[in-house]
Amino acid sequence: DAKTTQPNSMESNEEEPVHLPCNHSTISGTDYIHWYRQLPSQGPEYVIHGLTSNVNNRMASLAIAEDRKSSTLILHRATLRDAAVYYCILWGSNNNAGNMLTFGGGTRLMVKP
Amino acid sequence: DSGVTQTPKHLITATGQRVTLRCSPRSGDLSVYWYQQSLDQGLQFLIHYYNGEERAKGNILERFSAQQFPDLHSELNLSSLELGDSALYFCASSAYLGQGRNEQFFGPGTRLTVL
Repeated sequence: DAKTTQPNSMESNEEEPVHLPCNHSTISGTDYIHWYRQLPSQGPEYVIHGLTSNVNNRMASLAIAEDRKSSTLILHRATLRDAAVYYCILWGSNNNAGNMLTFGGGTRLMVKP
Repeated sequence: DSGVTQTPKHLITATGQRVTLRCSPRSGDLSVYWYQQSLDQGLQFLIHYYNGEERAKGNILERFSAQQFPDLHSELNLSSLELGDSALYFCASSAYLGQGRNEQFFGPGTRLTVL
């Protein structure tokens, strides 16, 4: 399984942008880059995913490097509610059995008021 | 609200016992995944069902089993429980087989405490 590397923790100020990095140098051509987050005492929550092009949705933006070996999740204006553990995960697009989400340690984002 | 429901929310039981956790996927989703989250192990994939058929197994113990029923809800059965089985158990669903182009939606989890 392709692995991802994320910083253990990051801090941000409220209402400022946050850039959460993820390295995935062994990504394969069929791997989608997924981001999930887990707020305290809740289940993981889907944030965004992409393959090659940058993606935007109401929650965040995903910037994918041209060689796809790294990506950055961008929260445009952090709020206290964005304090969570953010997981960057690679998920293959083939239908093989065993194709599953594998969670690493994630980045714990702390947001200061 | 992800649309995935799990029952019960909390379960307290004794070692050696057997419990069943239930998951209802989002309407129309054919895939159901089970995950275990403990303090020292993080989120671990257990098993994946697609339209009633087992598709993948992860770090699932032999004491654990699961199934997906014709109405697409799924149950995770945990037997001969040990203290180390205490954890949060999450169910997730996605629309299709498991291709990376589809997101997973997670339920709120069942907190299992084994005393």
